Amino acid sequence: KAGVTQTPRYLIKTRGQQVTLSCSPISGHRSVSWYQQTPGQGLQFLFEYFSETQRNKGNFPGRFSGRQFSNSRSEMNVSTLELGDSALYLCASRAGNVQETQYFGPGTRLLVL
Amino acid sequence: GENVEQHPSTLSVQEGDSAVIKCTYSDSASNYFPWYKQELGKRPQLIIDIRSNVGEKKDQRIAVTLNKTAKHFSLHITETQPEDSAVYFCAASPPRGAGSYQLTFGKGTKLSVIP
Repeated sequence: KAGVTQTPRYLIKTRGQQVTLSCSPISGHRSVSWYQQTPGQGLQFLFEYFSETQRNKGNFPGRFSGRQFSNSRSEMNVSTLELGDSALYLCASRAGNVQETQYFGPGTRLLVL
Repeated sequence: GENVEQHPSTLSVQEGDSAVIKCTYSDSASNYFPWYKQELGKRPQLIIDIRSNVGEKKDQRIAVTLNKTAKHFSLHITETQPEDSAVYFCAASPPRGAGSYQLTFGKGTKLSVIP
């Protein structure tokens, strides 16, 4: 099976703009989680979607939002970008049953200037 | 919420020696503990995981131990090789019902294996 894919791989935005990132899970996987990775804070959970419903949400402001489509593809949106949003954004998919292996995508590196 | 502490933050070992990375967690309800390896510029990859009903798990040169009473778990890598050099992350997840879970990660350990 093809792995988790993310687009775009790199993005440069300026403060105040918004951005949308895309994640395509492994075929058959219904759960998609998003993480923010920074050198200072490490890997932090943003949210998880399963069958188009958000099931879990981490401690991020409302500027961070997401959605999932009927084909399990997911998008993450960040509005009113701040310099501190510069990070590697990773998505991960799993089949959706309890505590199965989570497979990460290659990430989208976002730079906010 | 869950909090995971990971030590050390950096670790250098000679090729062939063993490496041990330790993590502690705060939520006694956590019952799933994966370890991920992330090479420079690459995605995190699961190397081993353990569930709370098991005290130890081995996979070739890699082993993980779990002490639920003390709320800590450790990664052991024996006979280290240069290709083991990477950042290793531990994580913990409490059950949240309905098949969902939320991984809380440690800050990572940068392992360098010196040839």
